[in-house]
Amino acid sequence: NAGVTQTPKFRILKIGQSMTLQCTQDMNHNYMYWYRQDPGMGLKLIYYSVGAGITDKGEVPNGYNVSRSTTEDFPLRLELAAPSQTSVYFCASSHPGGQFFGPGTRLTVL
Amino acid sequence: GQQLNQSPQSMFIQEGEDVSMNCTSSSIFNTWLWYKQEPGEGPVLLIALYKAGELTSNGRLTAQFGITRKDSFLNISASIPSDVGIYFCAGPNNAGNMLTFGGGTRLMVKP
Repeated sequence: NAGVTQTPKFRILKIGQSMTLQCTQDMNHNYMYWYRQDPGMGLKLIYYSVGAGITDKGEVPNGYNVSRSTTEDFPLRLELAAPSQTSVYFCASSHPGGQFFGPGTRLTVL
Repeated sequence: GQQLNQSPQSMFIQEGEDVSMNCTSSSIFNTWLWYKQEPGEGPVLLIALYKAGELTSNGRLTAQFGITRKDSFLNISASIPSDVGIYFCAGPNNAGNMLTFGGGTRLMVKP
């Protein structure tokens, strides 16, 4: 199993640009999550999904959108990038024993 | 909402020393999770605790689920340089569909 994979690893955006962060898991987990981690801080939940077709807001959803058309994929969309969205983004999937994280996408908005 | 407070925020220790860190909450958790994050990587699950009073080991790591269910401790014995990283505690909400993370304890080990 590859586990949780994320692309791209790094990205620089200009203010107002849009992009999609990709996340895929091959463990057949129903639950998937998107977090952001600012420098020196813990993780904050952006959105989560309990299964295909179902998504819910987390702690900091503003400025982001998600979709879950399949069990495997959970892309995160930024429509109008802002400097405040400069962060490292982690996708995760879970089973009852805990969450498993991808390697992260480092996003800089200039 | 639920909040988890970790202490200390950072530690700088000598190789071979034992390390102790903790995580506290004002509300009860039914599960405690401990993660380690190395630079440039995502968090990796180290230990999961499911029962108050439970003591679980993973190699040189030992974690305990506090009796009050409002705290948890992680100990690392005989630290080595590869123990460097940020250690996060986390706990699920009552529905079990979201995790709350603590702010992390940054561990640095001097060879």
